Amino acid sequence: QITLKESGPTLVKPTQTLTLTCTFSGLSLSTPDVGVGWIRQPPGKALEWLALIYWNEDKRYGPSLKSRLTITKDTSKNQVVLTMTNMDPVDTATYYCAPWTNDAFDIWGQGTMVTVSS
Amino acid sequence: QSVLTQAPSTSGTPGQRVTISCSGTTSNIGRNYVYWYQQVPGMAPKLLVYRDYQRPSGVPDRFSGSKSGTSASLAISGLRSEDEADYYCGTWDDSLSGPIFGGGTKLTVL
Repeated sequence: QITLKESGPTLVKPTQTLTLTCTFSGLSLSTPDVGVGWIRQPPGKALEWLALIYWNEDKRYGPSLKSRLTITKDTSKNQVVLTMTNMDPVDTATYYCAPWTNDAFDIWGQGTMVTVSS
Repeated sequence: QSVLTQAPSTSGTPGQRVTISCSGTTSNIGRNYVYWYQQVPGMAPKLLVYRDYQRPSGVPDRFSGSKSGTSASLAISGLRSEDEADYYCGTWDDSLSGPIFGGGTKLTVL
């Protein structure tokens, strides 16, 4: 059974850097073709893919936020970390992580709500 | 503005069959698998369909996916009140080199 949980601050100030951690079990990021990604959803709005990291360190970023994002993995800890620089109130959203398998984001974490406000 | 186009809302009555559509281009739906999610308010999205029409274990066969050209559809038969949710389509986009989502369709069960 695959489970994922997102963790990080619930409140950040504008211009600060956000660091989110996805801790998972039931899958391994050393398995070929497996990836873990981050997706966000502003209140009342649609899903937006942010970043994806594969088992082989291949990294992909959403074009609109690419310059602000960094995704890394720690295979031994079963964790994927996303950092987003220069946070703005428009970045207020629920942030989800999910494994990329079978050409889709499979089981999703419960999400973590991040509010950007001074 | 989402790369994939979905109608903002649709509705149906219990027992009815409804279809939710998703329109894309040759760089996404036209060349890659489509997936569908159901999101109940306050909850994380749940995968309903992957690889165009495959259902994960536990997803009722009332939910079915199909694709033709650069468009895809999710059909829900035998509509139930618990089907009231937001539905999102998604796929891979070759131009963006990453996954994309539709804007979502809110299904109301009358």
